[in-house]
Amino acid sequence: NAGVTQTPKFQVLKTGQSMTLQCAQDMNHEYMSWYRQDPGMGLRLIHYSVGAGITDQGEVPNGYNVSRSTTEDFPLRLLSAAPSQTSVYFCASSAGLLLNTGELFFGEGSRLTVL
Amino acid sequence: DQQVKQNSPSLSVQEGRISILNCDYTNSMFDYFLWYKKYPAEGPTFLISISSIKDKNEDGRFTVFLNKSAKHLSLHIVPSQPGDSAVYFCAASAYTGANSKLTFGKGITLSVRP
Repeated sequence: NAGVTQTPKFQVLKTGQSMTLQCAQDMNHEYMSWYRQDPGMGLRLIHYSVGAGITDQGEVPNGYNVSRSTTEDFPLRLLSAAPSQTSVYFCASSAGLLLNTGELFFGEGSRLTVL
Repeated sequence: DQQVKQNSPSLSVQEGRISILNCDYTNSMFDYFLWYKKYPAEGPTFLISISSIKDKNEDGRFTVFLNKSAKHLSLHIVPSQPGDSAVYFCAASAYTGANSKLTFGKGITLSVRP
């Protein structure tokens, strides 16, 4: 079972460059989300989606764009990378829109460094 | 302002003893609480959860206690094993009308000494 797959696992960018972090899940989950993990900050929600065509902002959305054209994929785009976006990014999905009916399944993470 | 607080950044216990990881929250709308475990270079994995209508949930060596009046929950691991060494995140969910969002704490690094 693949579960939640993130690519790339590592990426180094220069300030101002753009890139897309890919996330795909094969569990037919409606709910997908992106988190970033920073030292001493825990996991913070960037954007989330409750189904194809529906996205919403989380706690720290600035500098990131998302779209959800299919149930399986939820890419995260950085339009103009900044050093403050150096972080480890996690994609997560859930079968339930109400998270008290099912837990989040996380990908292995994508480590991004912006120079 | 952090709504889910894990004030102790680390905990070290001897193998075989009890590990108690604490978590406090401020938002009274939270109705579901979860614990996640994370090993280095891996994504977090779900460990155990508890609904706000309960005060205890047990799963093998892991028990979560919820004290709603104190807005406090704790994860007990008995007995602790070296393989339990990881970062533990407390998370809370609030129903927002159409869906839920999970809010995570900063995490606690647990080290279990052989």
